[in-house]
Amino acid sequence: KNQVEQSPQSLIILEGKNCTLQCNYTVSPFSNLRWYKQDTGRGPVSLTIMTFSENTKSNGRYTATLDADTKQSSLHITASQLSDSASYICVVMGSGGYNKLIFGAGTRLAVHP
Amino acid sequence: GAVVSQHPSWVICKSGTSVKIECRSLDFQATTMFWYRQFPKQSLMLMATSNEGSKATYEQGVEKDKFLINHASLTLSTLTVTSAHPEDSSFYICSASPDSLTEAFFGQGTRLTVV
Repeated sequence: KNQVEQSPQSLIILEGKNCTLQCNYTVSPFSNLRWYKQDTGRGPVSLTIMTFSENTKSNGRYTATLDADTKQSSLHITASQLSDSASYICVVMGSGGYNKLIFGAGTRLAVHP
Repeated sequence: GAVVSQHPSWVICKSGTSVKIECRSLDFQATTMFWYRQFPKQSLMLMATSNEGSKATYEQGVEKDKFLINHASLTLSTLTVTSAHPEDSSFYICSASPDSLTEAFFGQGTRLTVV
């Protein structure tokens, strides 16, 4: 069964600290993996998108890694800011186009001053 | 980056009435748009795939007569929740992409509350 599992479910960190969010997937065949940030009451916003051949991709303070062999990905946030408080969703695209986007449940991150 | 706009951002309606939600791709054409529903603290669940000029494809368990989808142009898809009930209260989000190789862009979502 195609699944995307994220951990932890929620996380609280202090402003300025780093954190790493995890994503494990069983989607096969695999096309690409995306990380989205979703603020409360808003639609998801894309952070990174990685294909099978990419191991790491950065977007400002966000760095995503991908190990296609172990089917694991991580999102590392550096020097967190209060505005980083949001849900971070790992999404895997299998074959067949966009109707095959498999969403993780997300990690709810709270950054405290 | 590409922009997908949803309207309204929130709506409150009475039980039994219908509500229409619009999803527009502002700076690109999208032959396919997607409608999702998200309950509190849960992830997005695909409801249907909206295809321009043809009938939408609904996911299993989604009533096509209750959630009417119209994709009349390459930049506009609408979702109409007919005879809304309190259990239809949710966050509805659309997404679109210029093509199958490009990332999906999401609308800002519509919070529907049925009272």
